[in-house]
Amino acid sequence: GDSVTQMEGPVTLSEEAFLTINCTYTATGYPSLFWYVQYPGEGLQLLLKATKADDKGSNKGFEATYRKETTSFHLEKGSVQVSDSAVYFCALANTNAGKSTFGDGTTLTVKP
Amino acid sequence: SQTIHQWPATLVQPVGSPLSLECTVEGTSNPNLYWYRQAAGRGLQLLFYSVGIGQISSEVPQNLSASRPQDRQFILSSKKLLLSDSGFYLCALKGGPNEQFFGPGTRLTVL
Repeated sequence: GDSVTQMEGPVTLSEEAFLTINCTYTATGYPSLFWYVQYPGEGLQLLLKATKADDKGSNKGFEATYRKETTSFHLEKGSVQVSDSAVYFCALANTNAGKSTFGDGTTLTVKP
Repeated sequence: SQTIHQWPATLVQPVGSPLSLECTVEGTSNPNLYWYRQAAGRGLQLLFYSVGIGQISSEVPQNLSASRPQDRQFILSSKKLLLSDSGFYLCALKGGPNEQFFGPGTRLTVL
C-alpha cells in the first residue's frame, strides 16, 4: 500500500537558519503530494502541494519539489522564523475518495 | 468558504464511559468526511471516512464507530472508552483535488 516516510524529529534550529525536512513516499500511479503544518493545539493546515512530477509547491517561503525519480518531496525554507515552530506532515493522496496517507510528522522548534 | 466545527474542544472521560464527538461542516454540500486520530507524538491515523449520508467506511478495527446522520454532520462514538482511545481527534473534509481541510480537533483524555 501507499506509505510516507519523513525525517524523524525533533528538529531544532536557530532563527534565520536553513531548513530541510526530508520526505519520501511509496505509491502506485501518480499521487498528489502535500505538506501540512500543525501549530500547537490546532488542527492541520495545508502548507503547499504538488500534483505532478517536477511541480514545485511554495507558500510562506517554504518550497518542495515533486521528484518522481527519487520518490521524494523534501520541504525547504531558506530562513526560518520563530513563528515557523510547528509540526510538519508530509502526505500523499492517490485515490478518488481523497484519502490521504500521512507521515509521522516532524516537530520543528526555532529558537531566537 | 468551508468551515469545520468540532465539539467539544477538550474532553476528559473515565475508562468504560461512552463517547460522542461531533463534527459539522458549513459552506459545502455532500462532502467526503474523515475522522483521524493523532496519538501523542505520533502521526495521523485514518479511522473512518464517509462519502454520503449513512455511508461509513472503517479503516482500522477498533473500539470506535462513526455515523453520518445528516449531509454535514459526522459523529464519532464509543460505547466503552479504553485508555488507548486517548488522543487528538481531527475531522476533515475533502477540499480541492485530493486536499484535506481539517477542523480544530478534539483532545480526548481517558483516565
